[in-house]
Amino acid sequence: QSALTQPPSVSGSPGQSVTISCTGTSSDVGSYNRVSWYQQPPGTAPKLMIYEVSNRPSGVPDRFSGSKSGNTASLTISGLQAEDEADYYCSSYTSSSRVVFGGGTKLTVL
Amino acid sequence: QVQLVQSGAEVKKPGSSVKVSCKASGGTFSSYTISWVRQAPGQGLEWMGRIIPILGIANYAQKFQGRVTITADKSTSTAYMELSSLRSEDTAVYYCARGNGSGWFYFDYWGQGTLVTVSS
Repeated sequence: QSALTQPPSVSGSPGQSVTISCTGTSSDVGSYNRVSWYQQPPGTAPKLMIYEVSNRPSGVPDRFSGSKSGNTASLTISGLQAEDEADYYCSSYTSSSRVVFGGGTKLTVL
Repeated sequence: QVQLVQSGAEVKKPGSSVKVSCKASGGTFSSYTISWVRQAPGQGLEWMGRIIPILGIANYAQKFQGRVTITADKSTSTAYMELSSLRSEDTAVYYCARGNGSGWFYFDYWGQGTLVTVSS
């Protein structure tokens, strides 16, 4: 199972919006609404930000939103804040009943 | 509040095995799954496998099949991940993470991570 494809890095200024893409295949992202997104600041464990494509756990700001079209899922962060600077990972359930992660995207807040 | 507390850092020789524990508190251990995810230095997250404690059934990523064993002790609410035939490329932080019931494929609580260093 190959990793999902994410851009290595994205950046934006405070207050702007950024979108991180996550491209898989018809065996994972394209076939299931089981995409999740995690935020990982340096030296910390990942934190769940979005599950099942577009659902936010309690406590996650509504500035974070998720969507999916075909084999590509996206995480959008609006009203960018300095505290959003971190690595972001997508993951998906697969047709072999496993989980695959993306390679990660480093978000820089300028 | 759910907490996953992992065992401490390990240094292992190539060819040996390591066993990392993950003790859960809060919630009902048997009602969710535990996955193991690793992260090599400077690299991304990699799912290794998971266990359904109530059933004792585990499944593994193809990459680790035959080399990893995930078990759970319901009496102590502790999950374990054992990786054998260690090589330098296995140097990584290993995390346990909770999958919530039918939504086992997303992870709402994570352990603090255990650094495993493989070096001769």
